[in-house]
Amino acid sequence: GNSVTQMEGPVTLSEEAFLTINCTYTATGYPSLFWYVQYPGEGLQLLLKATKADDKGSNKGFEATYRKETTSFHLEKGSVQVSDSAVYFCALRASNTGNQFYFGTGTSLTVIP
Amino acid sequence: EPEVTQTPSHQVTQMGQEVILRCVPISNHLYFYWYRQILGQKVEFLVSFYNNEISEKSEIFDDQFSVERPDGSNFTLKIRSTKLEDSAMYFCASKLDLNEQFFGPGTRLTVL
Repeated sequence: GNSVTQMEGPVTLSEEAFLTINCTYTATGYPSLFWYVQYPGEGLQLLLKATKADDKGSNKGFEATYRKETTSFHLEKGSVQVSDSAVYFCALRASNTGNQFYFGTGTSLTVIP
Repeated sequence: EPEVTQTPSHQVTQMGQEVILRCVPISNHLYFYWYRQILGQKVEFLVSFYNNEISEKSEIFDDQFSVERPDGSNFTLKIRSTKLEDSAMYFCASKLDLNEQFFGPGTRLTVL
């Protein structure tokens, strides 16, 4: 089946620290991979995506590389800011199930000044 | 920038009552979705809707659930007889074609 497992939170970091949020997946076929972010009181927003192996998605200083050999799509940022405080969701869209997204449980990040 | 909107932001209801959650997708989008997130758990797919009919649904989407696009702009999720375990955040999403899904801010449903 299709599923996403991501690092449990919550994560608390100081400003300018390095961030990694791990995400691994199980999928049949060739999924597309996504990171969504949810700021307090808002909906899910697409942060970045990668549609095939070895692709790197990047946005707002965040990066994630689609690793087929390790079935991973870890989210990284070199220097976090207070404004990055949010919940981050890893997700996949499987190639064999139409439009359906499969989400991880979400990882809450708090960045303190 | 166009966005998906949802109303109400928070709905409180008694067990056994019917609720209707409303969504206004982005106007030129063609595919519509409902997801839910029980507190502390994963965001789960419920149903997708295209061309005025359900195209996919999950095991969660049983006979108690229905969706409708009554007027070409709204997209609603109805729960006929709510249960305690229906308490969750419900997200609507829409998309134009093969591109990303745009999500609404969610409706928090509390069943007492």
